Amino acid sequence: EDQVTQSPEALRLQEGESSSLNCSYTVSGLRGLFWYRQDPGKGPEFLFTLYSAGEEKEKERLKATLTKKESFLHITAPKPEDSATYLCAVGGGGNKLTFGTGTQLKVEL
Amino acid sequence: DTAVSQTPKYLVTQMGNDKSIKCEQNLGHDTMYWYKQDSKKFLKIMFSYNNKELIINETVPNRFSPKSPDKAHLNLHINSLELGDSAVYFCASSQPGQGAKVLTFGAGSRLTVL
Repeated sequence: EDQVTQSPEALRLQEGESSSLNCSYTVSGLRGLFWYRQDPGKGPEFLFTLYSAGEEKEKERLKATLTKKESFLHITAPKPEDSATYLCAVGGGGNKLTFGTGTQLKVEL
Repeated sequence: DTAVSQTPKYLVTQMGNDKSIKCEQNLGHDTMYWYKQDSKKFLKIMFSYNNKELIINETVPNRFSPKSPDKAHLNLHINSLELGDSAVYFCASSQPGQGAKVLTFGAGSRLTVL
């Protein structure tokens, strides 16, 4: 069974304080590692897909990287508007995504 | 606006009642999903339909019955509601192909069973 574990569960940063979120996974036949952002009271919003080890993608202050066992979401010089829950998911067989429980990020002034 | 829209956003009901949540997408996607998010933020797939055909049916009590009248709509009917059904239910859609699992989610429907 596909499994996704995210750490830490919660992270509090000062504005400008860079950090990384971790997503460890086990899957039989990876068909994509996905990062989503979820704001309170809203549905998850797609950020990145990574397909193979060594791949990296960037968007503004976010950079996602992938190895054979884990993915990192690096946040450089975060701002308060980056506060959200970040969800990681793996695509296995069929059209199914298996999600982790997320990292709740709060960026303070 | 192009989106996945679901109604109602909030639903409060008594145990034993029957309720429905409706979902519509105008993105032209072929595949639609229902996910359940519990109090610990864990998102778990319940059902998936591709062009009105059921393709994923996870271990969900048969009190939950999805219906897809056309590929733009996917509704969820829940019979005999139980306390444990309280959660946020998300509808999502995607296109097939390599990008099949890039899901576009609705805003969620928070179900509270008293």
